[in-house]
Amino acid sequence: DTAVSQTPKYLVTQMGNDKSIKCEQNLGHDTMYWYKQDSKKFLKIMFSYNNKELIINETVPNRFSPKSPDKAHLNLHINSLELGDSAVYFCASSQTETQYFGPGTRLLVL
Amino acid sequence: GQQVMQIPQYQHVQEGEDFTTYCNSSTTLSNIQWYKQRPGGHPVFLIQLVKSGEVKKQKRLTFQFGEAKKNSSLHITATQTTDVGTYFCAGSINTGTASKLTFGTGTRLQVTL
Repeated sequence: DTAVSQTPKYLVTQMGNDKSIKCEQNLGHDTMYWYKQDSKKFLKIMFSYNNKELIINETVPNRFSPKSPDKAHLNLHINSLELGDSAVYFCASSQTETQYFGPGTRLLVL
Repeated sequence: GQQVMQIPQYQHVQEGEDFTTYCNSSTTLSNIQWYKQRPGGHPVFLIQLVKSGEVKKQKRLTFQFGEAKKNSSLHITATQTTDVGTYFCAGSINTGTASKLTFGTGTRLQVTL
């Protein structure tokens, strides 16, 4: 059983399109996160939700909108995709301090 | 804002050589974690250090947390090809409402025979 899963694994799309990435965790954790990892491997937190409530919202363009329908799911919707959005997006979950990462979604904007 | 820097950015060693990566935070941390990311993979938790001056070992890996709780190091003795990957430190600060983890810039390790 995969602890933290993301779909899709790969996403290739045109500039200006809208796309969504889904994340699910079966660990029973209260907190979930979205991270962006760029081509230089820098890993930056974007959002964090605790029990469906947004608790961390870093400086991210408002084209990015997270949504947590329940505490096991955290989705990320991106409007009007730009070239600079190309990156690997990781979902993670935690109950204490340790974070468990999903396999990542590799987004390429053409 | 908080910054966590790691040096070196990249290191290439021959199998059997030792390797060390250093992590420095601009602010005092409540704890520090280390993660390993294999090429094409996702970050995987290795260890957490909480106490000032703490040292922990996992087989060939030795982790240290500085006395001032602003720096940390990871030392690998006698590297193997399975050690290849990017090593991230991640510093935690309690913000009152939540603990926020700030990842370091990472050190990419390449090991060749």
